Amino acid sequence: DTGVSQNPRHKITKRGQNVTFRCDPISEHNRLYWYRQTLGQGPEFLTYFQNEAQLEKSRLLSDRFSAERPKGSFSTLEIQRTEQGDSAMYLCASRLGGALGYTFGSGTRLTVV
Amino acid sequence: AQSVTQLGSHVSVSEGALVLLRCNYSSSVPPYLFWYVQYPNQGLQLLLKYTSAATLVKGINGFEAEFKKSETSFHLTKPSAHMSDAAEYFCAVSPEETGANSKLTFGKGITLSVRP
Repeated sequence: DTGVSQNPRHKITKRGQNVTFRCDPISEHNRLYWYRQTLGQGPEFLTYFQNEAQLEKSRLLSDRFSAERPKGSFSTLEIQRTEQGDSAMYLCASRLGGALGYTFGSGTRLTVV
Repeated sequence: AQSVTQLGSHVSVSEGALVLLRCNYSSSVPPYLFWYVQYPNQGLQLLLKYTSAATLVKGINGFEAEFKKSETSFHLTKPSAHMSDAAEYFCAVSPEETGANSKLTFGKGITLSVRP
């Protein structure tokens, strides 16, 4: 494994469109996290999976956001009816339960115009 | 609830000078503390972590941090700055090391510039 992979790296979309991002974690990592980073801010927690189970969702994750991790492997984050305020870097991280430290992906930068 | 305060958004040092990036935390439970570095258009890379084993923590690239409970601080230092250290640095706190509730709460970050 070369690390956590996120696709696409950049996405420009028009307001009101739906977008989907993908995260491929390190294969043996059972925990997967999504964070959102806006300009000038630190990453903020969105949601967390252990295997295929979504165990926690932040208040930041409105009903327009949905995340899945089928079969406990890759994960997708979908934003419906995008708004300009959704423009941010979306970071995925994975870790092996019981291990120390996360491995972050390079992120998907979303721009809503 | 936990939080992290990183005072100042930008620090500029000369190459070879001491680097000091400040981080203060607030936590109702013994915290686990982390420093991450982010280069432009890249993800976050772990520099070092405090997990209660030792108060002085050494990390990668010559960085170290000292946990001071009385000051609720976890400042990051490097004796001699290198041009390649220019990046954004984030302090983060977690209530657990590896458990289910081990999500990170980040500070706003500090941009480090290194002058030739």
